Amino acid sequence: AQSVTQLDSQVPVFEEAPVELRCNYSSSVSVYLFWYVQYPNQGLQLLLKYLSGSTLVKGINGFEAEFNKSQTSFHLRKPSVHISDTAEYFCAVSVYNAGNMLTFGGGTRLMVKP
Amino acid sequence: DVKVTQSSRYLVKRTGEKVFLECVQDMDHENMFWYRQDPGLGLRLIYFSYDVKMKEKGDIPEGYSVSREKKERFSLILESASTNQTSMYLCASSLIPGQGKYEQYFGPGTRLTVT
Repeated sequence: AQSVTQLDSQVPVFEEAPVELRCNYSSSVSVYLFWYVQYPNQGLQLLLKYLSGSTLVKGINGFEAEFNKSQTSFHLRKPSVHISDTAEYFCAVSVYNAGNMLTFGGGTRLMVKP
Repeated sequence: DVKVTQSSRYLVKRTGEKVFLECVQDMDHENMFWYRQDPGLGLRLIYFSYDVKMKEKGDIPEGYSVSREKKERFSLILESASTNQTSMYLCASSLIPGQGKYEQYFGPGTRLTVT
């Protein structure tokens, strides 16, 4: 079975500062990787995904993530955050041939302060 | 754009009541999922369905059942609601593997309170 660990439950950061949200996974087989964002009182929206190819993946709203197979990590980064990035972020993995089933991490609440 | 809708945004029910949560998707997706979301625990899969009348248990199926009579609609049923089922419930849908898209599309969620 696979698991996902998001190492920080909350990340406070000032506006225009860079941010990194950490995600580590464990799986005995190859995986697809995802980051979702949840704004207050809304469902989850896909930020970006890694399926194959280049390990640096760019997503919406200026976010990017890098897949590191040796460290089994998929950290999310943004060089300069805005107040509007305040939300909860979820890392998720899907195992090949598992019917698009997702295993989620516990989430990281990003709090952007003025 | 894919649209996943859920019948209620907020719901308050009493202990012991039977509760129905409805989910509808408009993109002809084969797979549909029900999750519950609790602080610090992320999303946990309750049930999923890969076709009409087909269902599979997820990680936490106890106390829940599901129904999928039409491809676009997936219902979650709490047979006898209990206070520990107070949570946010999220529905999602996706294509089957091999169609090039592996992500799930989520509805806005239903916040259920059982008193």
